[in-house]
Amino acid sequence: EAGVAQSPRYKIIEKRQSVAFWCNPISGHATLYWYQQILGQGPKLLIQFQNNGVVDDSQLPKDRFSAERLKGVDSTLKIQPAKLEDSAVYLCASSLTSVGQALYGYTFGSGTRLTVV
Amino acid sequence: GESVGLHLPTLSVQEGDNSIINCAYSNSASDYFIWYKQESGKGPQFIIDIRSNMDKRQGQRVTVLLNKTVKHLSLQIAATQPGDSAVYFCAEGNRLAFGKGNQVVVIP
Repeated sequence: EAGVAQSPRYKIIEKRQSVAFWCNPISGHATLYWYQQILGQGPKLLIQFQNNGVVDDSQLPKDRFSAERLKGVDSTLKIQPAKLEDSAVYLCASSLTSVGQALYGYTFGSGTRLTVV
Repeated sequence: GESVGLHLPTLSVQEGDNSIINCAYSNSASDYFIWYKQESGKGPQFIIDIRSNMDKRQGQRVTVLLNKTVKHLSLQIAATQPGDSAVYFCAEGNRLAFGKGNQVVVIP
């Protein structure tokens, strides 16, 4: 089974620039998550999609972050404009779910390491 | 909201010994927990999960114990190997809310 694919692997940008991350979940996984993991901390959920609908975006800084999953498969996460504190690893995960509860463990991608200078 | 946290930031263990990583949670309604292992430069990797209708679940060299009375769970790794060196997270499974992580360092 192919895993969760993310790109790019690394990204360095200057503050106030824009950046976008891409995620391709495991085939058939209806639920997709974006996480932000700051160095030395656990991942923090940014947004959760069920198919192409948003389930939870309560922790997404909507003034600068946006995410979409138009066809219910791939997803992109965008930051515009970036701040220094956005430096982190952005992880995508997917799961096969039923009625909002995971049937199996979630599968994470390797993440995109963003450095804002 | 719920929070999930770990007691010990770093655990150093001799190769071959058993490791125990502890985790506390705050939401008594949480009924599904997952342990993840994260190696440097990689995403979290599923280790084992447990639902609240169980007190114990075993996998290959790993055992998770759940004590709902005190809202505590632990991960036991038997015969720890150098490849077990990583950061371990417990997570509340329904919301996938992670604790801060516990670094395990295996001493050869």
